[in-house]
Amino acid sequence: EADIYQTPRYLVIGTGKKITLECSQTMGHDKMYWYQQDPGMELHLIHYSYGVNSTEKGDLSSESTVSRIRTEHFPLTLESARPSHTSQYLCASSESSGSFKETQYFGPGTRLLVL
Amino acid sequence: AQKITQTQPGMFVQEKEAVTLDCTYDTSDQSYGLFWYKQPSSGEMIFLIYQGSYDEQNATEGRYSLNFQKARKSANLVISASQLGDSAMYFCATLGGAQKLVFGQGTRLTINP
Repeated sequence: EADIYQTPRYLVIGTGKKITLECSQTMGHDKMYWYQQDPGMELHLIHYSYGVNSTEKGDLSSESTVSRIRTEHFPLTLESARPSHTSQYLCASSESSGSFKETQYFGPGTRLLVL
Repeated sequence: AQKITQTQPGMFVQEKEAVTLDCTYDTSDQSYGLFWYKQPSSGEMIFLIYQGSYDEQNATEGRYSLNFQKARKSANLVISASQLGDSAMYFCATLGGAQKLVFGQGTRLTINP
């Protein structure tokens, strides 16, 4: 059973505002990920981290930034939200095993609407 | 590079029938993992089943089984005795040498009573 949490679940905000999407996991997983998903579409990796103080950009270019100061916490920040950022953001984590069975467990997601 | 193709945008099935969701993959990696996730309308991604490229037997988890045909590069999900709660989006994904999960476009499954 995965214990990974995201807040807020829904966010409606005006253009130009700074926002932070929170993601926390209690499983002690080294690896954490952020995905962006438009409704009914596939997931795209935008950021990942393999441990504290380690962050990398994913395959889909994003104006967001992330930090990993603590193992359990992986927040995503948008300095100036724009309507093009409207999407669902999913956080995931996995245990580092070096194998191809590293199952990623997902949080409930944050649905962001930028007006 | 890895790629997942799910050719069925939508599937409609009667309750209690079995359903097969198609997934083909393209990879140059010798070793890789294949995953299926379920995404209900609430949005979370729920892990269903895993198959390793060197696993000789098809994976099974309760009502879910994975029909793995390595030579054809297919990893179809079979749901037996479908239930109304199975209505959701289903995503196939692969994890290869780059250690990044690559998802397909998804299949929307609707179970009719």
